[in-house]
Amino acid sequence: AQKITQTQPGMFVQEKEAVTLDCTYDTSDQSYGLFWYKQPSSGEMIFLIYQGSYDEQNATEGRYSLNFQKARKSANLVISASQLGDSAMYFCAMREFYNTDKLIFGTGTRLQVFP
Amino acid sequence: GAVVSQHPSRVICKSGTSVKIECRSLDFQATTMFWYRQFPKQSLMLMATSNEGSKATYEQGVEKDKFLINHASLTLSTLTVTSAHPEDSSFYICSARGSLPGGEETQYFGPGTRLLVL
Repeated sequence: AQKITQTQPGMFVQEKEAVTLDCTYDTSDQSYGLFWYKQPSSGEMIFLIYQGSYDEQNATEGRYSLNFQKARKSANLVISASQLGDSAMYFCAMREFYNTDKLIFGTGTRLQVFP
Repeated sequence: GAVVSQHPSRVICKSGTSVKIECRSLDFQATTMFWYRQFPKQSLMLMATSNEGSKATYEQGVEKDKFLINHASLTLSTLTVTSAHPEDSSFYICSARGSLPGGEETQYFGPGTRLLVL
């Protein structure tokens, strides 16, 4: 079974609008961390935001926020006020604390921001 | 802070030759580094976990004799693709385990290396 599922292979959003990228996860561990990374066409992986499973508040980092719904096991990324430079691949990842070394990545969502 | 460099960024080699890729944590020490492989339009596939001063832990299906990993210091891990063949052509990306401001751990990634084997 997929541990991280990103159901949207591609998304389009107009500049200055908000967009939500979906991510659901599967774990039996009580302690885990959820991450979002951005990968522009250059290939580098840029860390965006982190949410711990025990964090009661949704994580926010500038224009990025994580809509964490623990009961639904979802960790959607919300990008507000989209910019052209936000066009990239976005990967959701999970780290289960019983296996502290590994990040498990989803298949990614390609976001295209148009003027 | 938390910058990871990778060298070379791009390499073209002939089939049968070996290629070494370096991964460095520039402003922090990393006892653990990771090597990933990424095929076009696909997600990252973890190849191995590299621990300073000890042998790397390889994921199932990854040939340890083919992909040699050395983590000789707290800031440097190297991946050597031995006797490279065209099917080894890929994007290789490393990461180093580091800390977030809140104390949690994350992985900081290098810019990747595009390998083309002719």
